[in-house]
Amino acid sequence: QKEVEQNSGPLSVPEGAIASLNCTYSDRGSQSFFWYRQYSGKSPELIMFIYSNGDKEDGRFTAQLNKASQYVSLLIRDSQPSDSATYLCAVRPMGRRALTFGSGTRLQVQP
Amino acid sequence: GAGVSQSPSNKVTEKGKDVELRCDPISGHTALYWYRQSLGQGLEFLIYFQGNSAPDKSGLPSDRFSAERTGGSVSTLTIQRTQQEDSAVYLCASSFGTEPYEQYFGPGTRLTVT
Repeated sequence: QKEVEQNSGPLSVPEGAIASLNCTYSDRGSQSFFWYRQYSGKSPELIMFIYSNGDKEDGRFTAQLNKASQYVSLLIRDSQPSDSATYLCAVRPMGRRALTFGSGTRLQVQP
Repeated sequence: GAGVSQSPSNKVTEKGKDVELRCDPISGHTALYWYRQSLGQGLEFLIYFQGNSAPDKSGLPSDRFSAERTGGSVSTLTIQRTQQEDSAVYLCASSFGTEPYEQYFGPGTRLTVT
């Protein structure tokens, strides 16, 4: 079992729709959870982080965390073609500073 | 403000040669991380520095890989006797030394070993 699992996609949504990206993790002691966006040929860009159960909103983005289910999600409202990228879920395990990354979900927003 | 910078942006080297990759973290960030990303693969942790503490080298794949951080700022990742499987994008990130340790990445160095 991978430490951080994501569906590779592609996830295709029409412009203006809500895109829902999901991630599960295996280390129950993980403490912080991050979503990065990576455009092709570019480095990862931090979108947001969450460390408490529940929802955290930032503009069009909402991160959701459920530690009991070991599940993190990212919702993108009013999806735009410019949101088309690979979204990486990253987890900081207990006692560590380095992040463990999933393989990413490729999102395609169709105009 | 200035983000994480890395140099060179691209490096092509022959198998068996040594290479040095440089990272300059965000000013004020005390923690620095090296990762690599191979084609179609996820990000793989290599090494982590925090202030004057001993680095976490647990991700280094072999003893051909080493890194140092001088003066608590700039870091150099050295790969000796490069192999073709070392071809990847090497990414550096930095963070503050406090929770939640959110990491900001540099543009990366694309290493190609021929």
